[in-house]
Amino acid sequence: GENVEQHPSTLSVQEGDSAVIKCTYSDSASNYFPWYKQELGKRPQLIIDIRSNVGEKKDQRIAVTLNKTAKHFSLHITETQPEDSAVYFCAASIVRNTGFQKLVFGTGTRLLVSP
Amino acid sequence: NAGVMQNPRHLVRRRGQEARLRCSPVKGHSHVYWYRQLPEEGLKFMVYLQKENIIDESGMPKERFSAEFPKEGPSILRIQQVVRGDSAAYFCASSPRARSEQYFGPGTRLTVT
Repeated sequence: GENVEQHPSTLSVQEGDSAVIKCTYSDSASNYFPWYKQELGKRPQLIIDIRSNVGEKKDQRIAVTLNKTAKHFSLHITETQPEDSAVYFCAASIVRNTGFQKLVFGTGTRLLVSP
Repeated sequence: NAGVMQNPRHLVRRRGQEARLRCSPVKGHSHVYWYRQLPEEGLKFMVYLQKENIIDESGMPKERFSAEFPKEGPSILRIQQVVRGDSAAYFCASSPRARSEQYFGPGTRLTVT
């Protein structure tokens, strides 16, 4: 089936703490997992992505880990800052019979970083 | 280096009217995707187009909705005879290749009164 579950739905942290958002997917053939950040009223922005041939990827304060066996992937933000406050969406690719890589999105996590 | 452009940014339509949403992809991108986002929800795939072709429309309602991406000009998402339930933010994304990262436009917020 096509399903991506995302937890938690809301996450409040103090500035400087770490934040972790977790997603699970259902299609074992999924091989591409992007994360998007969406500020209020703005467009979703790609912040990091990972493909299934790697287990972890890091970009400054942001890292993503992937466990293909368990069909889990997670976003880790270290040393959080107030400007990290936004809604974060995970997504997993589903390859359709047309060859098209469709993205199925999670329901989002509202992250609030308090100063 | 312009990103994905969408217009209008806000659109108000009365029930029964038509809504036309436009999307200009990143220059050089020939793959366009339309998504719908209801308040407090995630993005739901609607349709995927390459120049002049609809590749996958599995997420688009069979009635009242149509999409095109002509050889020249922007991609158009058209909603005929709008109903209140069509009120949402409609995002367009583009990519340079079929299985590469997608870049989103600013969205069109459709309100049906």
